[in-house]
Amino acid sequence: QKEVEQNSGPLSVPEGAIASLNCTYSDRVSQSFFWYRQYSGKSPELIMSIYSNGDKEDGRFTAQLNKASQYVSLLIRDSQPSDSATYLCAVNMNTGFQKLVFGTGTRLLVSP
Amino acid sequence: EAGVVQSPRYKIIEKKQPVAFWCNPISGHNTLYWYLQNLGQGPELLIRYENEEAVDDSQLPKDRFSAERLKGVDSTLKIQPAELGDSAVYLCASSLGQERAQYFGPGTRLTVL
Repeated sequence: QKEVEQNSGPLSVPEGAIASLNCTYSDRVSQSFFWYRQYSGKSPELIMSIYSNGDKEDGRFTAQLNKASQYVSLLIRDSQPSDSATYLCAVNMNTGFQKLVFGTGTRLLVSP
Repeated sequence: EAGVVQSPRYKIIEKKQPVAFWCNPISGHNTLYWYLQNLGQGPELLIRYENEEAVDDSQLPKDRFSAERLKGVDSTLKIQPAELGDSAVYLCASSLGQERAQYFGPGTRLTVL
């Protein structure tokens, strides 16, 4: 089992729709979780961090965390073509040392 | 506030040549990271510094890779000698602490011919 798993996609949604991106992780004691957006040829850009169970909203983005199910998701409301990118889920894990482990990313395509 | 600065942005070298990457973190960020990212993959940690101390270098191929962070600010990552398989994007990131959000620099795209 991979430490952080994401569906590679692409996830295709029409403009204005809600995009739902999912991520599961293997370490039950992980405490901090992050979503990054990465445009092609660019470096990852932090869009959300979440530390507690439940929802965290920031503009059009909502991160949802369920530690019991080891599941974290990102919802993007009113999706725009400019949201088309790869979204990386990252989880702080104890693998001997604490380190941030990234999934392989989900590619999102928002069509006009 | 300035972000993480990296240079060079691109580097093309012949195999067996040495190469070095430089990183200046966000001011006040004591924790600095070097990652490697291959196409279609997430970043993978090479080394983490807390101030000038390398706390986790377990994923750094020490036969050819070395890193330093003198004075606990700027950092340099070196590869000597480079191999074809080292072609990737090398990312530097910084944070206020291990549990805190990490902010990435623009990366250095290395091509080894």
